[in-house]
Amino acid sequence: KAGVTQTPRYLIKTRGQQVTLSCSPISGHRSVSWYQQTPGQGLQFLFEYFSETQRNKGNFPGRFSGRQFSNSRSEMNVSTLELGDSALYLCASSLYRQSEQFFGPGTRLTVL
Amino acid sequence: QKEVEQNSGPLSVPEGAIASLNCTYSDRGSQSFFWYRQYSGKSPELIMSIYSNGDKEDGRFTAQLNKASQYVSLLIRDSQPSDSATYLCAVYTGTASKLTFGTGTRLQVTL
Repeated sequence: KAGVTQTPRYLIKTRGQQVTLSCSPISGHRSVSWYQQTPGQGLQFLFEYFSETQRNKGNFPGRFSGRQFSNSRSEMNVSTLELGDSALYLCASSLYRQSEQFFGPGTRLTVL
Repeated sequence: QKEVEQNSGPLSVPEGAIASLNCTYSDRGSQSFFWYRQYSGKSPELIMSIYSNGDKEDGRFTAQLNKASQYVSLLIRDSQPSDSATYLCAVYTGTASKLTFGTGTRLQVTL
């Protein structure tokens, strides 16, 4: 069974731009969660989607948004990029809520 | 108080020894606990999940859960250099069912 896939793997953007990251969960998994990982803050929860609805949101500004499609694929968007948004963005999928989460390889975003 | 706390390390153990990694959590209602391993530059990989008090063994790994004391630990027997990584403890916290991660413990297995 294929794992979680994320595209693109690497991105370089400049301040003020916006970016969209994509995540395809493991087949049959309905829950997708997004995390931001930085050396200083560790893994920080961004949001969780289940059945196309956002179920949870972390403490991030409104510039961070996401959505989930009917096939469970998910996207997250960051608008008006700031230098501090440089991080590894990880997507994780799980069969249902509160079950084991499996991570994709991540998208490394660099903001110049 | 952080929701999930781990000693950042590094924890250095010789090859063949037992590595003991500890994690405490603040939400007494938490029911699901996980250990992830993360190699430098890679994404976290799930290695153990535990839901009930006591021990759960999987190969060289043993997870231990004590809900009364609110701690969960991971033992790695016969540690190998390939076990050198950061180990993340994760707990589903709160009624919102958010998976919260500790900051991780860096393990170094020396030859």
